[in-house]
Amino acid sequence: GESVGLHLPTLSVQEGDNSIINCAYSNSASDYFIWYKQESGKGPQFIIDIRSNMDKRQGQRVTVLLNKTVKHLSLQIAATQPGDSAVYFCAEERDSSYKLIFGSGTRLLVRP
Amino acid sequence: DGGITQSPKYLFRKEGQNVTLSCEQNLNHDAMYWYRQDPGQGLRLIYYSQIVNDFQKGDIAEGYSVSREKKESFPLTVTSAQKNPTAFYLCASSFQGDTEAFFGQGTRLTVV
Repeated sequence: GESVGLHLPTLSVQEGDNSIINCAYSNSASDYFIWYKQESGKGPQFIIDIRSNMDKRQGQRVTVLLNKTVKHLSLQIAATQPGDSAVYFCAEERDSSYKLIFGSGTRLLVRP
Repeated sequence: DGGITQSPKYLFRKEGQNVTLSCEQNLNHDAMYWYRQDPGQGLRLIYYSQIVNDFQKGDIAEGYSVSREKKESFPLTVTSAQKNPTAFYLCASSFQGDTEAFFGQGTRLTVV
C-alpha cells in the first residue's frame, strides 16, 4: 500500500513495551480531540476521543491524556503489539464547528 | 454491511483534465467531508457538507468542486485549476453534530 507520510517523526518501540505518542495543539478554543490510527494505504480509524472537560480517558489498551494548560495531548498504548504499527494522528475540533483539524502524524514502529 | 466507500482506489489523470472521485456511504450520516493528504502532512479539509444540497469550502478548496444531490453521495471533482493535484484523497462522514468521523479507504490520484 501507499505510504501515508515519508517524513513523519517516528517512534520505535519494542513489542510488549508501552508507547507514548504526543501531540501539541495551538488553539485554546479547541474543545474536542480525537486520536486516529492510519495504516499504510488506508483511511484513518477512530481510536479514542476526549472532551476538554476531561483530563484522562481510557479505552482498551489505550489512554488519552489532555493537558489544557500547555495545550498538549498524548496517546498511551499499553503492551504495544506489531499490529499497532501505523501512523497516528491527533485531531482537534475548534469552537464546536464540527470540523476537524489534523496534526501531521507520528509513525509508530514496533520491533519484534 | 454499513460503511463508506471510495472509488477508484488508484486514479491517473493527464494534466489539464478534470477528474471526479466517488464517495458513497450507507451509514445514514448527514455530514460528509473531503480531505487531502500529502506526505509528511496531516489531513487538510477541502470541502464539507452538513446536509443535502448544501456544502462549504474547507481550508484548501481552490481547484476543487463538489455536489451533494443525495445524502449518500458526495463526489469530488479535481479540476484543471488545481495546480498540484497528486495526493491521497480521503472522504469521511458523520452524524450531524457529531465530530467523530468515519473514513473511506482513500483514492490515490496521480497526475501524469
